[in-house]
Amino acid sequence: ETGVTQSPTHLIKTRGQQVTLRCSSQSGHNTVSWYQQALGQGPQFIFQYYREEENGRGNFPPRFSGLQFPNYSSELNVNALELDDSALYLCASSPYKGETQYFGPGTRLLVL
Amino acid sequence: DAKTTQPPSMDCAEGRAANLPCNHSTISGNEYVYWYRQIHSQGPQYIIHGLKNNETNEMASLIITEDRKSSTLILPHATLRDTAVYYCNVSPPGAVYGGATNKLIFGTGTLLAVQP
Repeated sequence: ETGVTQSPTHLIKTRGQQVTLRCSSQSGHNTVSWYQQALGQGPQFIFQYYREEENGRGNFPPRFSGLQFPNYSSELNVNALELDDSALYLCASSPYKGETQYFGPGTRLLVL
Repeated sequence: DAKTTQPPSMDCAEGRAANLPCNHSTISGNEYVYWYRQIHSQGPQYIIHGLKNNETNEMASLIITEDRKSSTLILPHATLRDTAVYYCNVSPPGAVYGGATNKLIFGTGTLLAVQP
């Protein structure tokens, strides 16, 4: 059974650019959640997708957007990057909304 | 959102039991207690979760007090590879509430250092 995978592993962008991060959920999972983890902090919930629809959002501005595809993989898009967007971005999948979330290894984004 | 409180750090000798406490005094009746750990620069790893009864799996045991306001994660025989940040979370069961999002709310966790 393949676990949650994320790409790329590392990324460097400059302020004002746009970035797309990708996540493949664990086999059989239809719910994906995204989290942002700043250095030295715990992960913060960005949003969750269930069967291609947003199912809840944390306190993040609209320039953070997402998609979930029919195969339940997901993308996180961030527009107009700011220096404070530098963080580890984590994707977690679960068999169904409300069930245990399993995390991928994360994508480390550095904004210069 | 229910908040959790954990000590910032703990030490444990290798081979001994590690007991990690968590306070979640504002937990609601249907919220579960989840424990994850994060080894440096990796994604959080699921350990165990429970509602009101004590739980055990191959990794750990979870003891939840009768009033559900606190819990303890027990690693029965800690090894050096158990050195990590341990997070206690409470999460509503979205399936029960239909559309509710079972977001995990992470604090800063407990850094467990297992000493040789």
